[in-house]
Amino acid sequence: SAVISQKPSRDICQRGTSLTIQCQVDSQVTMMFWYRQQPGQSLTLIATANQGSEATYESGFVIDKFPISRPNLTFSTLTVSNMSPEDSSIYLCSGTGQNTGELFFGEGSRLTVL
Amino acid sequence: AQSVTQPDIHITVSEGASLELRCNYSYGATPYLFWYVQSPGQGLQLLLKYFSGDTLVQGIKGFEAEFKRSQSSFNLRKPSVHWSDAAEYFCAVGVPNAGNMLTFGGGTRLMVKP
Repeated sequence: SAVISQKPSRDICQRGTSLTIQCQVDSQVTMMFWYRQQPGQSLTLIATANQGSEATYESGFVIDKFPISRPNLTFSTLTVSNMSPEDSSIYLCSGTGQNTGELFFGEGSRLTVL
Repeated sequence: AQSVTQPDIHITVSEGASLELRCNYSYGATPYLFWYVQSPGQGLQLLLKYFSGDTLVQGIKGFEAEFKRSQSSFNLRKPSVHWSDAAEYFCAVGVPNAGNMLTFGGGTRLMVKP
């Protein structure tokens, strides 16, 4: 199974600032995704992180607000830009195991925006 | 587009009692189906998955789920609940050949009474 590490695990941020979350996978995954889990809610897919090219965003999410990079098969970053309190959420990185097809999740990055 | 419904937002059961969490999905063909568990402050852990074949799937921690095509359901069951099972449970649907980009249900929070 793949182990997915995210950092930071949590942060408290000021309104108007930006924060980059890093996601590292310990083995190759075929696809990587970023999800958001707002307080008390389920998970919503933000985007598919594509290696070496622009991410594919879901409806309601845009690149200017959530720029994503994936420079190689095992690493991706998500930036939450110009944060507001509505961005307070858990952001989860996930990856599809190359051999199993199983989707693995990191433990999430809990952001609180004041 | 696919969707997932978990009709029960909260469920409380006594320790040792049996458990069934409901999940209904909407998708034009046979999807991939998953159950994840999220303990407080933790990431998501895969309990079990259905891709094809036997419709009764065994998972970790004594959980099982049954895919019923006629009812578009994938209910999660456990014969005897332990206090450590208290958590949030998410059913998810994946589209075959989409790298397991998942759509999640709203979640069911399980509480266990001693």
